[in-house]
Amino acid sequence: GENVEQHPSTLSVQEGDSAVIKCTYSDSASNYFPWYKQELGKRPQLIIDIRSNVGEKKDQRIAVTLNKTAKHFSLHITETQPEDSAVYFCAAFITGTASKLTFGTGTRLQVTL
Amino acid sequence: ETGVTQTPRHLVMGMTNKKSLKCEQHLGHNAMYWYKQSAKKPLELMFVYSLEERVENNSVPSRFSPECPNSSHLFLHLHTLQPEDSALYLCASSQDDSGREQYFGPGTRLTVT
Repeated sequence: GENVEQHPSTLSVQEGDSAVIKCTYSDSASNYFPWYKQELGKRPQLIIDIRSNVGEKKDQRIAVTLNKTAKHFSLHITETQPEDSAVYFCAAFITGTASKLTFGTGTRLQVTL
Repeated sequence: ETGVTQTPRHLVMGMTNKKSLKCEQHLGHNAMYWYKQSAKKPLELMFVYSLEERVENNSVPSRFSPECPNSSHLFLHLHTLQPEDSALYLCASSQDDSGREQYFGPGTRLTVT
């Protein structure tokens, strides 16, 4: 089955700096890679996703890159703000096989003033 | 409340009790999911329902019994649980069972004593 590893487990950056979170996956057939943000005491929310036919996707201050050959993908947050503080989860699976969806262990991002 | 709702938000139960968790989605989605979120562990997918039919049961112990009476409601019936079952139980829904773009509920914090 799919195995997703996520690093780092915690990340502290100063406001305005960039943050990068990396994930690797094991199943080369995986073709969908979402990122979820979970603020303290709140539900996970989808913030961005990427499909395997795309190498990069951006949405304002958030971007995701995918390297299919190396089987890794990354979340980039630029100009971080205190409200970016949360736990971020990556996931990987083959669309249409929701039962195989595998999440990473999460990265706790702290943006300090 | 719109989106995905869950009740109760907190539940404390003994190992011999029987209780049920409820999830309701107001998004017109056709697929619903149950997840278990434990501290320092990845989100674990437990069950997937598509159009009220169970698509997958990811090797979940029989003390967890799901029920999906219609596409808007999902239940998780609990009986004879163990302390290690204490966790946040999250419900999610998506347009179809592809697994993409899942919307999560706020979760039920379950404590088994």
